[in-house]
Amino acid sequence: AQSVTQLDSQVPVFEEAPVELRCNYSSSVSVYLFWYVQYPNQGLQLLLKYLSGSTLVKGINGFEAEFNKSQTSFHLRKPSVHISDTAEYFCAVSGGSGGGADGLTFGKGTHLIIQP
Amino acid sequence: NAGVTQTPKFRILKIGQSMTLQCTQDMNHNYMYWYRQDPGMGLKLIYYSVGAGITDKGEVPNGYNVSRSTTEDFPLRLELAAPSQTSVYFCASRSLAGGPYEQYFGPGTRLTVT
Repeated sequence: AQSVTQLDSQVPVFEEAPVELRCNYSSSVSVYLFWYVQYPNQGLQLLLKYLSGSTLVKGINGFEAEFNKSQTSFHLRKPSVHISDTAEYFCAVSGGSGGGADGLTFGKGTHLIIQP
Repeated sequence: NAGVTQTPKFRILKIGQSMTLQCTQDMNHNYMYWYRQDPGMGLKLIYYSVGAGITDKGEVPNGYNVSRSTTEDFPLRLELAAPSQTSVYFCASRSLAGGPYEQYFGPGTRLTVT
């Protein structure tokens, strides 16, 4: 079975500061990794995904993530956050026996709070 | 394209009532999914479908039923609603082509059972 652990439930950051949201996963097979963002009262929107190839993945809104197979991590980073980045961020994994038809297994989410 | 649409946006049910959450996608995606999101938790897979006429259970299927008579629609039925089904429900879809590409999510239905 697969699982995803988001190590911080809440991360407060000052505007224009860098941020890292941590994600670790467990799986006995190769996985595909995703970060989704959820703005208040909205659905989920894909930020970026890792399928294969380069371990550094760039996404929308200036976010990037690095896949580290040895540490089973997929941490999300942004060098300078904006007030509009305030949202809930979910790490998710797909592949192998987790979920059905490549259904996603989600972490519990990290609430990113940008302080002016 | 409207993408994935869900109705209703909000609903309050009394214990024991039934209802159907509607989900429609206009992207001709084969795969469709229903997730629930409880406060402070990630999304959990309820049911999924790989095409019209084919459905299967996910991680938390108890108390729910689904059907898939067309490619576009994937309704979720709640029979005998219980307070434990108070949640936000998300429908998602993805293309069959290639590997596990991204899932596209609807805006969600917020359901309260009292």
